[in-house]
Amino acid sequence: QVQLKESGPGLVQPSQTLSLTCTVSGLSLTSNSVSWIRQPPGKGLEWMGVIWSNGGTDYNSAIKSRLSFSRDTSKSQVFLKMNSLQSEDTAKYFCASPYNNFKYWGQGVMVTVSS
Amino acid sequence: IMLTQSPATLSVSAGESISLSCRASQNISTNLHWYQQKPNESPRFLIKYASQSISGTPSRFSGSGSGTDFTLNINGVEPEDFSVYFCQQSNNWPLTFGSGTKLEIK
Repeated sequence: QVQLKESGPGLVQPSQTLSLTCTVSGLSLTSNSVSWIRQPPGKGLEWMGVIWSNGGTDYNSAIKSRLSFSRDTSKSQVFLKMNSLQSEDTAKYFCASPYNNFKYWGQGVMVTVSS
Repeated sequence: IMLTQSPATLSVSAGESISLSCRASQNISTNLHWYQQKPNESPRFLIKYASQSISGTPSRFSGSGSGTDFTLNINGVEPEDFSVYFCQQSNNWPLTFGSGTKLEIK
């Protein structure tokens, strides 16, 4: 059974860096890609980027300069870091798989940017 | 690529058959996928590549279209179908989603 689960702080101060973890079970990260998608409250979905099975990454150009993904295959975890957070970054953050359409989703983690 | 979904909200009674529209700003072939999202839940994958059903998707859901115009059909809406529906394209990077259609009870 495939499961993805996001974790991280619920509150981040403006201008600070967000760090999130996606823990994956039932899927090998060396054979499958993981994407990050976010959803502001009451709004639509924004694809943020993907970390490929070979560890390479691709990002949405709209937020590329602030974003980085990494992973620890031994722990089956994928990491998101995004800097210079502003109020517009308040959203629920999901990890999902695979890469061009998303059969598997985590439950999401709500992140609020506020002082 | 921008995806425009219409209507934004659709009010129907259970048992009705409906069509939801997703229009792409340029030709995306059949690289269009549909999701259902209930409040406080993650999206659920319904249809891939415009018309291919996903294992577990009820047979009342079907998709059609190619190029720029796509439709999600529900043949006889059930009470559990009242949710928000999103389309998503995978023809071009970055992947994009439509703004959603909320299906609500009349």
